[in-house]
Amino acid sequence: AQKITQTQPGMFVQEKEAVTLDCTYDTSDPSYGLFWYKQPSSGEMIFLIYQGSYDQQNATEGRYSLNFQKARKSANLVISASQLGDSAMYFCAGGSNYKLTFGKGTLLTVNP
Amino acid sequence: DTEVTQTPKHLVMGMTNKKSLKCEQHMGHRAMYWYKQKAKKPPELMFVYSYEKLSINESVPSRFSPECPNSSLLNLHLHALQPEDSALYLCASSQDRQYSPLHFGNGTRLTVT
Repeated sequence: AQKITQTQPGMFVQEKEAVTLDCTYDTSDPSYGLFWYKQPSSGEMIFLIYQGSYDQQNATEGRYSLNFQKARKSANLVISASQLGDSAMYFCAGGSNYKLTFGKGTLLTVNP
Repeated sequence: DTEVTQTPKHLVMGMTNKKSLKCEQHMGHRAMYWYKQKAKKPPELMFVYSYEKLSINESVPSRFSPECPNSSLLNLHLHALQPEDSALYLCASSQDRQYSPLHFGNGTRLTVT
C-alpha cells in the first residue's frame, strides 16, 4: 500500500501568484500513479492532474503542473497565476484507481 | 457540470430508517466506487464495482449494502445506521484500467439522528 504525506495543512497565496503544494509518497511498488484532486467547499472532488511513475515528462494541465521528483519521492502540485476560484482543499493521492490512498489535504486560500 | 450524478444531495434519517443513495454515470465507465468522507478528512474507500460485480469491500459494516443494477447505476442501501455514520458519501467512476483517474459526483451529505 502507498503512503501519502501532505505536510501543509493550510497555504495562502495572493491572486495571480504561483503556489506549490507539497506531496511526498512512500511505496515499494515498481509501478504506481499519482493524482491531485481539488475539493471546493461544495464537496465535489475534481480531478486535476495525473503522473505515472514511468512517465519521463512532468505532467501539465493548463495552469496545473506536477513537479515529479522520483528520487525524492515527491509529487508537488504547482498552480500558476492563482485565481480566487482556486480556494479549496487539495488532495494528493497515489496507488491505482482501485486502491487510491489520499493524503490529509492542504487547504489553499487565495487572497485578492 | 459533473458527469457523475448523485441523489439526493442531502439526507437526514433516523437510526431505524431505511434509505438509499443513488449514483448515475453516462461516461461508459465500467468501474464504480463508493467513498465515505468525514469532515476535514480525506475520503475513505468503501466499495469498488468492476463490470457490475463487487470486487472490493473494505470491511464495511453490513448496515451499508451496495448494489450495481447495471453499468451506469450504483446504489448504496442504508439500514439501521448510527450517528457516527453521518458523513459525505461520494460516488465515483473510472475506466477499468489501473491508473485511470476517478471522476466523482457532488456527494450526498448524510445526517443520522
